[in-house]
Amino acid sequence: KNQVEQSPQSLIILEGKNCTLQCNYTVSPFSNLRWYKQDTGRGPVSLTIMTFSENTKSNGRYTATLDADTKQSSLHITASQLSDSASYICVVSASLNYGGSQGNLIFGKGTKLSVKP
Amino acid sequence: DVKVTQSSRYLVKRTGEKVFLECVQDMDHENMFWYRQDPGLGLRLIYFSYDVKMKEKGDIPEGYSVSREKKERFSLILESASTNQTSMYLCASSLGDRSTDTQYFGPGTRLTVL
Repeated sequence: KNQVEQSPQSLIILEGKNCTLQCNYTVSPFSNLRWYKQDTGRGPVSLTIMTFSENTKSNGRYTATLDADTKQSSLHITASQLSDSASYICVVSASLNYGGSQGNLIFGKGTKLSVKP
Repeated sequence: DVKVTQSSRYLVKRTGEKVFLECVQDMDHENMFWYRQDPGLGLRLIYFSYDVKMKEKGDIPEGYSVSREKKERFSLILESASTNQTSMYLCASSLGDRSTDTQYFGPGTRLTVL
């Protein structure tokens, strides 16, 4: 069964500190892995996307890594800010084919990050 | 910038009522999606559409129907609302059907069924 597991469920850190969120997946076939940020009361916004051949991707203070062999990804946030408080959702695409792939996304349940002053 | 709008941010309905949730995107995207998001369960796909008048069932279509009469508009219909349909409903759209195409989400509609 295709699954995406995220850890921890929730995390509290102090402003300025770094943190790492984890995503483990058992999805086949694997096409790509995306991290979304979802602010409270808003829809998710894409942060990064990595395909099979990519093992790191950065977006400002956000750096995502992918190990396709162990089927693990992490999202590292550097020098956290209060605005980083949000849920972070890992999404894996379970399709290699054009056609039908957009409806074949496996969503993790998210990690809720709280950054305190 | 892509903009996906949803007709209501908050909605309160009674059991048995027919409920319409509207979603509009302004980027000429081919694909549109309806998800529901519940604590501890994450996002689950209800229905999606690849083209006008086309629809495909997602993972949890029971109790829902959809309509896509125009490319920019995708409606979710609860024929007879029930309390277990209380949830956050998120609409999304994407340009095409490559697996790398980004889905852009609306702000969500928090529906409460009493």
